[in-house]
Amino acid sequence: AQSVTQLGSHVSVSEGALVLLRCNYSSSVPPYLFWYVQYPNQGLQLLLKYTSAATLVKGINGFEAEFKKSETSFHLTKPSAHMSDAAEYFCAVSEGFQKLVFGTGTRLLVSP
Amino acid sequence: GAGVSQSPSNKVTEKGKDVELRCDPISGHTALYWYRQSLGQGLEFLIYFQGNSAPDKSGLPSDRFSAERTGGSVSTLTIQRTQQEDSAVYLCASSFIEGDTDTQYFGPGTRLTVL
Repeated sequence: AQSVTQLGSHVSVSEGALVLLRCNYSSSVPPYLFWYVQYPNQGLQLLLKYTSAATLVKGINGFEAEFKKSETSFHLTKPSAHMSDAAEYFCAVSEGFQKLVFGTGTRLLVSP
Repeated sequence: GAGVSQSPSNKVTEKGKDVELRCDPISGHTALYWYRQSLGQGLEFLIYFQGNSAPDKSGLPSDRFSAERTGGSVSTLTIQRTQQEDSAVYLCASSFIEGDTDTQYFGPGTRLTVL
């Protein structure tokens, strides 16, 4: 069975600092991996996805993630945090054309 | 273009009543998913429709939950005899095939409160 672990339910950074949100996955087949962001009282917005084309994936709003098979990780990074990045971030895995299995989410807090 | 839309945005009901939640997917998307987001359980898969195939109902928590998709487009999630533990945000997603997988796009959700 697939699963996703997101370390840290809350991450706090200062504006302009590096953002690092951790995601580790478990999958018996080559996975498809996704990061979604959720702003308060809104649905999930796709940030980026990994589909085996390239291990470093660039997404919207300056975010990127690197797939590391040896570490079963897909951590999300952004070089410089902005106040507008404050939201909840979800990592998800699928086997392709199947349901998404989500992590428990990480709330990003950005202070001035 | 228009995204996934869901209605109502909020629904308050009394325990024991039936509710219907609606999802309008993005035009041309062949697959439709329902998920539930609650404080205690996080984001859970409920049901998946793909074209004319039989739906994957493996995530429905009880036989009080059912869903249909008419004409390969609009979907309705029905909860019968609602219970307080059904209180959650119900999210719908539609997807299209891109390469060797699909990409799911989510609606804003319906917040269900069962009193």
